Amino acid sequence: QKEVEQDPGPLSVPEGAIVSLNCTYSNSAFQYFMWYRQYSRKGPELLMYTYSSGNKEDGRFTAQVDKSSKYISLFIRDSQPSDSATYLCAMSPRPHNKLIFGAGTRLAVHP
Amino acid sequence: EPEVTQTPSHQVTQMGQEVILRCVPISNHLYFYWYRQILGQKVEFLVSFYNNEISEKSEIFDDQFSVERPDGSNFTLKIRSTKLEDSAMYFCASKWGGQDTEAFFGQGTRLTVV
Repeated sequence: QKEVEQDPGPLSVPEGAIVSLNCTYSNSAFQYFMWYRQYSRKGPELLMYTYSSGNKEDGRFTAQVDKSSKYISLFIRDSQPSDSATYLCAMSPRPHNKLIFGAGTRLAVHP
Repeated sequence: EPEVTQTPSHQVTQMGQEVILRCVPISNHLYFYWYRQILGQKVEFLVSFYNNEISEKSEIFDDQFSVERPDGSNFTLKIRSTKLEDSAMYFCASKWGGQDTEAFFGQGTRLTVV
């Protein structure tokens, strides 16, 4: 079983849709969870950072962590064409440890 | 807004040559990382660096790789004798020292080994 699993997509949605992106993981030691956005041939850009379980909201983005199910989600409300990118989940067991990344989900938002 | 800066943006090198990839982390950050991403694959950890020494490294980071923080601002990754399979995007990341902080990534160096 892979340490972090993420459906690579692609996911295609119309503008204005609510997007749900997900990752599952196997290592129960993971405590720190991140979502990055990556445009083609660019560096990952941090979107959301969550410690342990719970929800976090920032503008149109909501991150959820369910440690009991080993499942994390990122929701994007009112999606825009500019949200078209690859979304990477990443996680680590301790604050300064290496990040373990998912494969990334490619999202296309069409007008 | 402070950012992690990487140079060059693209490097083409011949197999067997040495390359040095350079990074300027965000000032006052204490933890430094190198990751790589082979085209179409996931981002993979290479090495982490703290307090002037390697704190963790992956299986990929073999004797061909080394890191250095030669002065107070730069953080370099050296590949001694490049192989075709070293072709990838290499990302530098840095992080402040606090408990609840996130890693910021640079824009990457695309290394092409021919």
